[in-house]
Amino acid sequence: KAGVTQTPRYLIKTRGQQVTLSCSPISGHRSVSWYQQTPGQGLQFLFEYFSETQRNKGNFPGRFSGRQFSNSRSEMNVSTLELGDSALYLCASSPGQPSTDGYTFGSGTRLTVV
Amino acid sequence: AQSVTQLGSHVSVSEGALVLLRCNYSSSVPPYLFWYVQYPNQGLQLLLKYTTGATLVKGINGFEAEFKKSETSFHLTKPSAHMSDAAEYFCAVSLSGGYNKLIFGAGTRLAVHP
Repeated sequence: KAGVTQTPRYLIKTRGQQVTLSCSPISGHRSVSWYQQTPGQGLQFLFEYFSETQRNKGNFPGRFSGRQFSNSRSEMNVSTLELGDSALYLCASSPGQPSTDGYTFGSGTRLTVV
Repeated sequence: AQSVTQLGSHVSVSEGALVLLRCNYSSSVPPYLFWYVQYPNQGLQLLLKYTTGATLVKGINGFEAEFKKSETSFHLTKPSAHMSDAAEYFCAVSLSGGYNKLIFGAGTRLAVHP
């Protein structure tokens, strides 16, 4: 059974650019969540999608957005990149209810903004 | 509001010694609790979770955790550390009731010495 797949693994972008990260959840998982991980702030919740609808959103600026497709694959987009956006972005999938099922995480996309 | 506190950002043990990683939570409702492990340049892997029922939960790789409501704790233990246990460990509490996400502690980095 394939795990959660995130692409690309590594990304280097310049300040002001935008970036799109991709996540393919475990087959049959309908919930996809995104987290930002940094040494200073730890793991911070970005948003969660379920059946193509954003169900929850963290406390991030509007530059961070996401979407989910009918096959449950998800993308997140960051526009007007800032140096502080450098982080490991983790995608996590769940059958339906992360609060009870927990997550299966992907290996992450490491974004470096220069 | 739910929160998680992991006592000790770094823990060092000798190979074969007991591993004890501490986690205390704050929750206004009965919580669901999780422990995850993260190896370098990887995503997070679920070690174990507590939902309801037996308070002593056994997980993968010989780890276990005990839910103690009176102490609001969910400490992770392993009787005998192995070199391969060196990693970062995260305790998490779930948010339900419409929020449906996990809140993670700051993490504890475990070092295992020969």
